Amino acid sequence: GAVVSQHPSRVICKSGTSVKIECRSLDFQATTMFWYRQFPKQSLMLMATSNEGSKATYEQGVEKDKFLINHASLTLSTLTVTSAHPEDSSFYICSRLAGGGSTDTQYFGPGTRLTVL
Amino acid sequence: AQSVTQPDIHITVSEGASLELRCNYSYGATPYLFWYVQSPGQGLQLLLKYFSGDTLVQGIKGFEAEFKRSQSSFNLRKPSVHWSDAAEYFCAVGASASKIIFGSGTRLSIRP
Repeated sequence: GAVVSQHPSRVICKSGTSVKIECRSLDFQATTMFWYRQFPKQSLMLMATSNEGSKATYEQGVEKDKFLINHASLTLSTLTVTSAHPEDSSFYICSRLAGGGSTDTQYFGPGTRLTVL
Repeated sequence: AQSVTQPDIHITVSEGASLELRCNYSYGATPYLFWYVQSPGQGLQLLLKYFSGDTLVQGIKGFEAEFKRSQSSFNLRKPSVHWSDAAEYFCAVGASASKIIFGSGTRLSIRP
């Protein structure tokens, strides 16, 4: 069964509003989680690494003030798209490393489709 | 710099036919190599992975992949595809499972 969940699965918002996406690790505690962005018919691009209890690490070119990441507990990381604009419309996917001491695989959530009008 | 190339954007095969999806990478050392499948409404699912050892890797759902260092390739194969295999397939490489980059994906369609 699924080990990573995301909520909501899809969201439509008006330009200028903020949207929060939740990513939950269902079976293991996750000190590290990852956020990706996927444009239509394109690959996944890593946006940031979410670290429990500390600041997220953002990839080059990703605006940290635009994409706020909070990893307040060992099972929950949130991505907030602030002042969203139509160009932020995309498919956002989170993941975590396999648990139980294994760090050799990422498990992915089902993704969140964001549409900004 | 690391890179992953999936040269085939879209492939159509007949049900029951064999399948090979190509993946080429550029990396300085032997990387971690992965194949994931993405179906609509579902998260990426790991099909198989290679770190070291036997270069022919068996995965789930009857898939296998072969690491060929000399060709910098990690092609995915299945001897007989099923209609349920229709999906998007991504090859990924990295220095570890934490830092991986994905190819652009290959969409697989199955002809009845």
